[in-house]
Amino acid sequence: AQKITQTQPGMFVQEKEAVTLDCTYDTSDQSYGLFWYKQPSSGEMIFLIYQGSYDEQNATEGRYSLNFQKARKSANLVISASQLGDSAMYFCAMREGRSDKLIFGTGTRLQVFP
Amino acid sequence: DSGVTQTPKHLITATGQRVTLRCSPRSGDLSVYWYQQSLDQGLQFLIQYYNGEERAKGNILERFSAQQFPDLHSELNLSSLELGDSALYFCASRGPLDTEAFFGQGTRLTVV
Repeated sequence: AQKITQTQPGMFVQEKEAVTLDCTYDTSDQSYGLFWYKQPSSGEMIFLIYQGSYDEQNATEGRYSLNFQKARKSANLVISASQLGDSAMYFCAMREGRSDKLIFGTGTRLQVFP
Repeated sequence: DSGVTQTPKHLITATGQRVTLRCSPRSGDLSVYWYQQSLDQGLQFLIQYYNGEERAKGNILERFSAQQFPDLHSELNLSSLELGDSALYFCASRGPLDTEAFFGQGTRLTVV
């Protein structure tokens, strides 16, 4: 069954440092997409980055990059040069090719300190 | 601003009552999704509509129902409410050329 696992309930990082948030997934499909969303304390879900299963290059969006290791079924989010505004919950999610719904992990709460 | 509008933002109601949550997707998006975020269940997919038709169903209770209207807005109806239905309910929409779904601000439902 499809599943997303985020093993870090909480992470701390100092401002301007890089941080990696872990995500592993399980699917039997060859075609799937992996997403990261950010949820600040205000509650909205903000899309950060996407990686398709057939993409050969790791996705990057500004300070966000996705470390995609297909054989290990991992899709870790790397945030470079952390900012105080990065403090939030981060969710990894997957969409299988034959389905349109997102399956979410349990999230990682990131706290950035000065 | 994602372009997806949900109303109301907050809702407090008593057990046994019925409420309707409303969602206006981004202009032109035919797909609408509903998700529930609760402390014990996390973020769960409830149901998807595409151009007025139900497309996929997730862990949606029988007490819950949804529909999508010709103008593409969607409503999620929750009835016989229980304390455990207290959660943040998200609507999301996606266009045919989009990879990601765009989420609304959510409706925070509190059942007392």
